[in-house]
Amino acid sequence: AQSVTQLGSHVSVSEGALVLLRCNYSSSVPPYLFWYVQYPNQGLQLLLKYTSAATLVKGINGFEAEFKKSETSFHLTKPSAHMSDAAEYFCAVSWDFGNEKLTFGTGTRLTIIP
Amino acid sequence: DAGVTQSPTHLIKTRGQQVTLRCSPKSGHDTVSWYQQALGQGPQFIFQYYEEEERQRGNFPDRFSGHQFPNYSSELNVNALLLGDSALYLCASSPPLWVGAEAFFGQGTRLTVV
Repeated sequence: AQSVTQLGSHVSVSEGALVLLRCNYSSSVPPYLFWYVQYPNQGLQLLLKYTSAATLVKGINGFEAEFKKSETSFHLTKPSAHMSDAAEYFCAVSWDFGNEKLTFGTGTRLTIIP
Repeated sequence: DAGVTQSPTHLIKTRGQQVTLRCSPKSGHDTVSWYQQALGQGPQFIFQYYEEEERQRGNFPDRFSGHQFPNYSSELNVNALLLGDSALYLCASSPPLWVGAEAFFGQGTRLTVV
């Protein structure tokens, strides 16, 4: 079955440090890939998406992600963490045109240490 | 643009009852998907509506049904509620394929079954 794996259910980084959230997908066919952020008691906000164009994707709030086909990965990074980045982050995959059914990972809760 | 709007925001129901949740898609979007997010989990795809018909369905029982209206708004109905149906229900809308490949989420409806 097609799946998405997020390594690390909880990640803590110091303010100003590098943020790295990991996402791997199971597929031999490059899918459409997304990162969403969810703040407490809120819906999901799209951070960035990969749709078979450039492999390095830049998103909002200083986040970016790199699609690596050989590693079936789409890790999310941010050079310098800010307190406002504390939230739950979800990697999601669509194997059909990008706006069809999304399969989500289990999420990574990011905590920022002052 | 109001984005994706869902109503109500919170709901408490008793086991065995029926519930209807509502969603208005983002302007210009014609596809509506529904997701269930249990506490501490990633969203799970319930089904998707396009042109007033169910186009895809996830692994959910027939107690979960939906409808899409000519103005693209949608309803999610759940019959014979179980305690396990307690979750955040998210609606997502998507534009036509030629516009772009992404889903925009609403704030969700928090359903509690007691």
